[in-house]
Amino acid sequence: DAGVTQSPTHLIKTRGQQVTLRCSPKSGHDTVSWYQQALGQGPQFIFQYYEEEERQRGNFPDRFSGHQFPNYSSELNVNALLLGDSALYLCASSSRRAPGTDTQYFGPGTRLTVL
Amino acid sequence: AQKVTQAQTEISVVEKEDVTLDCVYETRDTTYYLFWYKQPPSGELVFLIRRNSFDEQNEISGRYSWNFQKSTSSFNFTITASQVVDSAVYFCALREGYSTLTFGKGTMLLVSP
Repeated sequence: DAGVTQSPTHLIKTRGQQVTLRCSPKSGHDTVSWYQQALGQGPQFIFQYYEEEERQRGNFPDRFSGHQFPNYSSELNVNALLLGDSALYLCASSSRRAPGTDTQYFGPGTRLTVL
Repeated sequence: AQKVTQAQTEISVVEKEDVTLDCVYETRDTTYYLFWYKQPPSGELVFLIRRNSFDEQNEISGRYSWNFQKSTSSFNFTITASQVVDSAVYFCALREGYSTLTFGKGTMLLVSP
């Protein structure tokens, strides 16, 4: 049973550039959430997708956008990169189909470095 | 607003010692869920346990045990006979209803041989 996968593993960009991160959920999951984890901090919620729509959003600017595809995979896009966007980006998947299946399972993350 | 506090930034123990990681939470909801995740140096958050607000029964899983006390809004995590492989950052998290997770800042556990 494949877990949550993310690509790429590492990424280096320069200020002002745009980046796209990808996530494939755990088999049987239909909901994808994205988190940003700065060094030494806990993960901060960016947004959550379910049925191809953004359902909840954290306190992040519009430069952060996302998408969910019919196969439940998801992308996170960040435009006009800032130095402060350097972080580990974590994707988590869960299911809304049945009670108790909504525990979020995380992928290995994408480490983004903005120079 | 929901909040999770992990007051211990870093804990260092010697192998075979018992160690307790503290977690205090704040919420106004009557229905909420508490979680512990482990983050080894590789970076992936590994799910350890989930506890519902209406179930205060403590749980033991091998060397791991969890103490949930609503009266003190705490959900503490104890590792018995710690091992080097337990070295990681441990996060406590809270979810109100169907909202998303709010994490604490984490506790780094260093277990030396």
